[in-house]
Amino acid sequence: DIQMTQSPSSLSASVGDRVTITCRASQSISTYLNWYQQKPGKAPKLLIYAASRLQSGVPSRFSGGGSGTDFTLTISSLQPEDFSTYYCQQTYRFPRTFGQGTKVAIK
Amino acid sequence: EVHLVESGGGLVQPGRSLRLSCRASGFTFGDYAMSWVRQAPGKGLEWVTLIRSEAYGGTIEYAASVEDRFTISRDDSKSIAYLQMNSLKTEDTALYYCSCSIGWLEPDYWGQGTLVTVSS
Repeated sequence: DIQMTQSPSSLSASVGDRVTITCRASQSISTYLNWYQQKPGKAPKLLIYAASRLQSGVPSRFSGGGSGTDFTLTISSLQPEDFSTYYCQQTYRFPRTFGQGTKVAIK
Repeated sequence: EVHLVESGGGLVQPGRSLRLSCRASGFTFGDYAMSWVRQAPGKGLEWVTLIRSEAYGGTIEYAASVEDRFTISRDDSKSIAYLQMNSLKTEDTALYYCSCSIGWLEPDYWGQGTLVTVSS
């Protein structure tokens, strides 16, 4: 199975900060990588698909990059509604696997 | 607008069965692969299973943790995907989400989930 490792597992940041979350795959997955945001008690929301494509309706402060094994999710200016848990997922091979999640909290 | 609604969750004893349904609307159901993803209380996301569209043979993939116990199926005439869960274990307790996608490099869409609790 392809292992997905996110870092950090949690972080504290302030409104307006630039935040970057990384996701590393245990083998190359090209650009078969999604990023999700999940708030407590809610379903995951797709932010980025195919590593860098912004899902319709998602604010442009979110961006994704990378290919192969190393990927990033960047929030250019953190907003109050962005405090959530973020997950990456590879769609390159079955079983599809998720990272363990990164919780973004208020500093 | 894509809309997915899961149902069928509930409290069930270990070893028993349960069938979940995912009703879809707002898109051409038959063109999409359907998946189930679960989330145990306080834990991360775990992919469970996927069924491809009939255009791709309707073939199926399972996570090792559920293979031989869970069965995914679809009824394109009704726009419903199912998850038959047999021989349930306490570790199957989770919120079960269905999702759809037209391709592996395309966006996917999720329902709000249905809670399955396996307990005696």
